[in-house]
Amino acid sequence: NAGVTQTPKFQVLKTGQSMTLQCAQDMNHEYMSWYRQDPGMGLRLIHYSVGAGITDQGEVPNGYNVSRSTTEDFPLRLLSAAPSQTSVYFCASSRLLDRDSYEQYFGPGTRLTVT
Amino acid sequence: AQTVTQSQPEMSVQEAETVTLSCTYDTSESDYYLFWYKQPPSRQMILVIRQEAYKQQNATENRFSVNFQKAAKSFSLKISDSQLGDAAMYFCAYSRNSGNTPLVFGKGTRLSVIA
Repeated sequence: NAGVTQTPKFQVLKTGQSMTLQCAQDMNHEYMSWYRQDPGMGLRLIHYSVGAGITDQGEVPNGYNVSRSTTEDFPLRLLSAAPSQTSVYFCASSRLLDRDSYEQYFGPGTRLTVT
Repeated sequence: AQTVTQSQPEMSVQEAETVTLSCTYDTSESDYYLFWYKQPPSRQMILVIRQEAYKQQNATENRFSVNFQKAAKSFSLKISDSQLGDAAMYFCAYSRNSGNTPLVFGKGTRLSVIA
């Protein structure tokens, strides 16, 4: 049980380049989400998914696309990177404990720099 | 929209002493969940403690306890017998009680522990 894995751990992009941040979990969790963390801002939600084939926008979705074709994977795509997307990105998945109580597990994060 | 406010950007505590981190939130929901996450320099997000709003009893996990004041919408974290390993960023977070809903984070408090 590897938990939530994210690749790569570090990435440098030039403005205008595209890339996909990978996120996978082997815990059969239905709910997955992407956050970005900027200095002094805490974590802000980008997109989330409540199950395969279902995604929705969070607080800061502009410039990012997601899809959820399987329960295990939830990739985040940057179609045309901008310096404002320099951040640390976290993927999380959550399991239902009881009575709607759930716990979110976070991946180790990806540090992205856009020059 | 729900908001979470952490009014202390930085705090410090002497080793073995007790420190309290503050968190207030705003919501119109009557049932919800509150969390404290720890983020050490490794940047891994670690769940410290969780409180269900319908429970009047304050949650406790070893040296960590909360003071949950529902009417005041306050959710502070008390760390007793502080240890060097407690030094980290601490984030307060909120989620609606629907099982698969995103977390709303505060901006964090950086805790330093002085030997």
